Amino acid sequence: QVQLQESGPGLVKPSQTLSLTCTVSGGSISRGGYYWSWIRQHPGKGLEWIGYIYYRGSTYYNPSLKSRVTISLDTSKNQFSLKLSSVTAADTAVYYCARDSATVAADYWGQGTLVTVSS
Amino acid sequence: EIVLTQSPGTLSLSPGERVTLSCRASQSVSSGYVAWYQQKPGQAPRLLIYGASSRATGIPDRFSGSGSGTDFTLTISRLEPEDFAVYYCQQYGSSPITFGQGTRLEIK
Repeated sequence: QVQLQESGPGLVKPSQTLSLTCTVSGGSISRGGYYWSWIRQHPGKGLEWIGYIYYRGSTYYNPSLKSRVTISLDTSKNQFSLKLSSVTAADTAVYYCARDSATVAADYWGQGTLVTVSS
Repeated sequence: EIVLTQSPGTLSLSPGERVTLSCRASQSVSSGYVAWYQQKPGQAPRLLIYGASSRATGIPDRFSGSGSGTDFTLTISRLEPEDFAVYYCQQYGSSPITFGQGTRLEIK
C-alpha cells in the first residue's frame, strides 16, 4: 500500500520560499509510469494543480505558478519536494502531494499540510 | 487551459436517492481523461473514477461515470450516508491539469 506524507513549516513569512517534502512509502518513486504531484487547496475553496515531476526527472508546472515553482526528486530518500518562492498571503493553502499516472489520475494522496503565509 | 464547470453547486438529497452530477469542459478532453474525486471535511480527495468511466480500486459499484468529449457525469445509484461530501471532476488529458469548482452533496 503506497502512502505519502507531507512535511515542512506550517508558517512562512511573505516574500520567503515555501518548502515542502513528500515522503513516499510502500513503493519506489523511481518506478516507471508515475508522476509525483503537488496540488493545493485554498481555505474553503477548490483544488489547484501546482505541477508534477516524472520519475525520470522531467517536470511540468501550472503556467500560473511556473515562474515561482520548483519540484525535485530525491530517489535516495524516496522523497520529492516543492519549493514556491516569493510567497504572499494568497499562497496560504493546504498543500497535498499525490501519485499520478497518465491514465489513472491521482490515486494516492498525502493527508495534506496547511501552510500559512503571514508575518 | 481547459475550464471545467460543475453543476449544480449544491444538492440536498436523502439517503437512498439517485443522483447525477455534471461536469462540462470548455473544450474536448483528450482520450476522455476525466477523473472524479470525493472529499470529506479535513480529508484529502479520494479517487472514485478515472478515464471517465473506470472505477478506482475499492470503490463501490453504486458509483459510475460516463461521458466523452466535453460532457461528463458521475452517478451515485443509491446514496449512502457516507456519500454526503464534495465531489470534484478533473481533466488530466492536457496540461495544465484542471479541476472543476466542486459540487456539494448535502443531506436533506
